[in-house]
Order: sequence, then C-alpha cells, then structure tokens
Amino acid sequence: KAGVTQTPRYLIKTRGQQVTLSCSPISGHRSVSWYQQTPGQGLQFLFEYFSETQRNKGNFPGRFSGRQFSNSRSEMNVSTLELGDSALYLCASSLGAMGNTGELFFGEGSRLTVL
Amino acid sequence: QKEVEQNSGPLSVPEGAIASLNCTYSDRGSQSFFWYRQYSGKSPELIMSIYSNGDKEDGRFTAQLNKASQYVSLLIRDSQPSDSATYLCAATAVGYQKVTFGIGTKLQVIP
Repeated sequence: KAGVTQTPRYLIKTRGQQVTLSCSPISGHRSVSWYQQTPGQGLQFLFEYFSETQRNKGNFPGRFSGRQFSNSRSEMNVSTLELGDSALYLCASSLGAMGNTGELFFGEGSRLTVL
Repeated sequence: QKEVEQNSGPLSVPEGAIASLNCTYSDRGSQSFFWYRQYSGKSPELIMSIYSNGDKEDGRFTAQLNKASQYVSLLIRDSQPSDSATYLCAATAVGYQKVTFGIGTKLQVIP
C-alpha cells in the first residue's frame, strides 16, 4: 500500500514569489491535513480538507491557501513568500471518520527555503 | 499559552532504563491523545493512541492519561539507542478535525 506522497521534496524560492505543494494521500483516505514545521514552533496546523471541503483552518495569514480534488489529492499554495515561510511542510492523510482524526499518516514533507 | 505543552528536552537516559515523557494540555474538550515519534530528518509516525483514563500498553510502550489533571505521558521500558528521537504529544477533540501537537521532547538513549 503506497504511503503519502509529497512533491516537490525540496525547493528554493525568493521573497515575493509563490509556491504550490502537492500531496497524494493513502488510497482510501479522504482527509488531508497540512502542517508547517519549524524548529522554534514545532508542528503548526494549517488546514484540513475532507471530500473537497475545508473543515478547519489554523492561524495563518491568507497567503496560505489550499484545496482538495475529487480524487482526494491536495495542494497548498503560499503567495508572496516571506523569509519566515522557510520550513518543512508536512501533509498527513487519514480516513477522515470522526473517531480517528488524530491517527495521521505523514508524507516525507516538502522542504521550502525562501531567500 | 500553547494548547499542548511538552518539555523540549533533551531527555537523556541510559540504555535499558525507563524513559518517561510528559505532556499537558489546556483544552478540556480534548478527548483523543496520541504520541508520535519523529527521527531526525524524517516525518512523524504514530506509535500510540489513548482515548480513556488509565494506562494502555503496547510492547515496551505505555501511554497514560489523566483527564482530571489534563496530563498524558509515555513510558518507554528497556530504552534502546534506536528509541532516540523526538516524541510529539498530540490531542484532538471530537468534532474538530484539527490535531494539535506539542513542540516535542527530544529523547537521547545513551549506550
């Protein structure tokens, strides 16, 4: 059974640019969550999607957005990049049922560096 | 105040000892709790989940939950160098599709 796939794995951007990250969840999983991980803040919740609907959103500015497609694949976009956006962006999938929203399966992450 | 609090460590224990990792949470609506392990340069992986007060054992791992004290812990018996990693405590509430993580405790098992 294939795991969660994130692309690209590494990318370097400059301030002001935008970036799109992609996540393919485990087959059969309908929930996709995105997290930002930095050494000082740990894992910070960005948003969660289920059946193409955003069900919850973290405390990030509107420059951070996402979407989910009918095949459960998800993308997140960060516009007008800032130096502080440099981080590891992790995608996690789960079945999405109410009882196991905490049982997450993570991808390997996309390491974003903003220069 | 973070919703899930952990000491970032590092916590150093000798090989074969019991490692005790602790976590407190502030949201009394939290009902499900999880421990994830993250090796350096890798992504987190779920190792334990606990939903009711008391202890839950799985091999060398025991998770403990005390909802009255809003306290969760993870005990690792017979610690091995391969257990050296960062352990993330996480919590979620029924009806909320957001999992909140602590900053993680770095565990070092000394051979």
